[in-house]
This record gives sequence, structure tokens and C-alpha cells, in this order.
Amino acid sequence: DVKVTQSSRYLVKRTGEKVFLECVQDMDHENMFWYRQDPGLGLRLIYFSYDVKMKEKGDIPEGYSVSREKKERFSLILESASTNQTSMYLCASGSGAGGKNIQYFGAGTRLSVL
Amino acid sequence: GDSVTQMEGPVTLSEEAFLTINCTYTATGYPSLFWYVQYPGEGLQLLLKATKADDKGSNKGFEATYRKETTSFHLEKGSVQVSDSAVYFCALPPMRGAQKLVFGQGTRLTINP
Repeated sequence: DVKVTQSSRYLVKRTGEKVFLECVQDMDHENMFWYRQDPGLGLRLIYFSYDVKMKEKGDIPEGYSVSREKKERFSLILESASTNQTSMYLCASGSGAGGKNIQYFGAGTRLSVL
Repeated sequence: GDSVTQMEGPVTLSEEAFLTINCTYTATGYPSLFWYVQYPGEGLQLLLKATKADDKGSNKGFEATYRKETTSFHLEKGSVQVSDSAVYFCALPPMRGAQKLVFGQGTRLTINP
């Protein structure tokens, strides 16, 4: 089974802190994604990566950065956390295109910024 | 650009009721279509998919038929169970270019015993 593991299920941080969310996948997928999920807004793509050291902005990249130094690991960084970044963060990985473009998700990290 | 529109929730049904969650899409060409499900406290998982027009995807008693004439991919189940309580997302992978999926807003389903 494909496994996408997010390092924390729950995190509580203070405003202004630098926050790292880590994601690891074990299926050698080229593509990895970070989404945030908020009530009434569905899933919104923050960043994605289609190869090591490559990244593309998603729909809401402001206030975030990412790092992909190894194929299996994709990190989301909140440079200076703010209360409006309180959310559920979902990591996904996948490969292929069209009907083969199935993304596999981690369990999510619920981040609270106080 | 590509988009997906789902019926708004939340939806509350009694056990053994018939379920329909509507999904329509706008896209160039004839993309594949997916339904994902998110159970409480978990990430999303693929429920079913269809890769071409008139295909029917099915899994766990759920079905959805890809209708290109109505650009729809409605999710149905004949007899829901309490364990089906979850959030359901319709999704569309682009046929080319970036690999990101386009998701609908999600529909929260609650089944009461």
C-alpha cells in the first residue's frame, strides 16, 4: 500500500514562529503536493513539486515556502506563522497524468497558530 | 479553466436511504473524473474513478457514471450505512500540463442510525 506520512497530527505554534511541516512518501512518486483544507473553502493547493528541487506555486502560496531535497520528502515552511494560517494541512503524492494521476494523501496536520 | 461544482452540503440521511451527490465539471476535452472520500480524522482516499465517457466507476457500493452530454459525474449509493459518514470530493485531473487535481468544494454526509 502507498503510504504518505505527515510528521505531526497536531501542532500548536505561536504567531511569528517558523514552522516546518514534513511529509514522506514511500512509492517513488515524482509529484508531491501541499494543500490546506478549511471549512467552506474545500482544498486549496499551496505548492507542488514535480521533481527534486523543483517547485511550482499553487493557488495560495503567499506566506509559505517549500523544500524538496530528496524525492521522498516534501516540506512545507511557514516563515512567520500567523493566525490566519490555522488550518488542516494535507500532503499528497502521485505520478502519471490523466486517469493515472491519482493522488495519495497523508492523514493531515491540524495546525493552530495562537 | 477547469472547474468542478458539487452540490452543497451538509447532507443528512437515515441508514438504508438512497444517496446522490451531484457533481458537474467544466473542462477542455474529456478528462478522467474521480471521487475521493475523507473519513473523520483521516486524509483523502480515492473512492472510484472513470477515465472516459460512459464509464461507470464503482467501489464499496458506490457508483458514478461519466456523462459527457451533461458533463456530470454524480455519486450514488442504493443503501447508505452509518460508516459512510464522511466528506466526499469530486475531482478532475487536467489532461495535460500541471499535475494538480481540481477539487470540488466537498460534501459532508452524515448518516443517522
